[in-house]
Formats: sequence, structure tokens, C-alpha cells
Amino acid sequence: AQKVTQAQTEISVVEKEDVTLDCVYETRDTTYYLFWYKQPPSGELVFLIRRNSFDEQNEISGRYSWNFQKSTSSFNFTITASQVVDSAVYFCALSEARIRANNLFFGTGTRLTVIP
Amino acid sequence: GAGVSQSPSNKVTEKGKDVELRCDPISGHTALYWYRQRLGQGLEFLIYFQGNSAPDKSGLPSDRFSAERTGESVSTLTIQRTQQEDSAVYLCASKAGLAYEQYFGPGTRLTVT
Repeated sequence: AQKVTQAQTEISVVEKEDVTLDCVYETRDTTYYLFWYKQPPSGELVFLIRRNSFDEQNEISGRYSWNFQKSTSSFNFTITASQVVDSAVYFCALSEARIRANNLFFGTGTRLTVIP
Repeated sequence: GAGVSQSPSNKVTEKGKDVELRCDPISGHTALYWYRQRLGQGLEFLIYFQGNSAPDKSGLPSDRFSAERTGESVSTLTIQRTQQEDSAVYLCASKAGLAYEQYFGPGTRLTVT
């Protein structure tokens, strides 16, 4: 069965601090995809990144970076020099190639509060 | 439109009533999903449409839930005889046929009193 675990329910940091959001996943599929979405207070989910199971290269996009490690089944997300606008709930999600729908299995989210 | 739109944005209904929620996907997106997000929880998959193929209804929690989509256009999610546990935000997402990323609408917040 597939499962996504985000053990950190809430995190608070002071502006300009770095913060890492953890994500651990379980899947039996050999081909799968991992995602991060941001849900700001407005409620609409915003796609941030997708990684394929066969590509373990880490990725950096501005202040955001992602560390994908198959050996530990983790896909962690780091925000450097956090800003107040980063305050949101962040969801990690998994989809499996074997499932026709490619529907997303979500973790329960991590609420990040950046304090000015 | 530029993004996925949903209506209504909020719906309050009495227990036992039927409700219908609407989703307009991004133009050209062949795949459409419905998810449910209970308070403080992640999203749960409900149903998937892809073009004219048979929908994947594996996530529907009970036979009170149903959804329709004609071709690659609008979808409606219907909940019959609503119960208080149906209170949640219902999110719609669409994606292009060969893509992996799903793009979400703003959701419909359903409150059953």
C-alpha cells in the first residue's frame, strides 16, 4: 500500500531562518512520482515540484530546494532565508505509475508559520 | 479561463439534502480529479475522469456520492442525502493527458448542518 508521512504537523521559524520540511513515503511500485504542493491561507493548492523515481538528482529553485533519497524513502523540502509569504500548509504527495488514474496520495501536511 | 474554477465557493446545506458541486477544468486538460479535504487533513482521492474512458470511482466513500463529466468539459460531483461527516472542502484538479502535475481549483467548502 502507498503512504505519505509528514511527521511535522506545525513548524514556526523566524524570518530569514532556513527550514526543512520532511516527507517519507511508502510504495511497492518501482515507478512513482513525488510532489510538493503549497496551500496558502487562500486555500488553493499550488504545485511546486515533481520528481520521478528514477531521477534522484536534487533540485534547487531560488530559495527552494528538494532532497530526494530513495535509500531512505524521503523527499525533503528546504526553504532558505524564509519569508512571511512562505507561511502556508505544505503537502507532500505520491502517485504510482501502475495506477491508471495516477491519483495523488497526500500526507497530512505541515503548517509553516514564518514570524516577521 | 486560466485555471481550474469551482462553484459554489461555499455551500451550507441541511442534513439529508442533496448538493451538486461544479468544476470547470483548464481548457485542453483531458484528465479531471475530485478530492476531499477534511479539516486539518490531507486530500483524499474521490474519482478520476480521462476523456471518454470509464471513470475510476475507487475513492468514492459511499453510494451517496456520484460524479459526471461529459467529454473533456465540466464535471459535477453530487452528494445525496448529505451527512454531517460530508462537511469538507471538495477540490477539483485537472491535468493534461501525458503530464503528471495536477492543477487544483480553489475548492468548494461544504458545511452540512
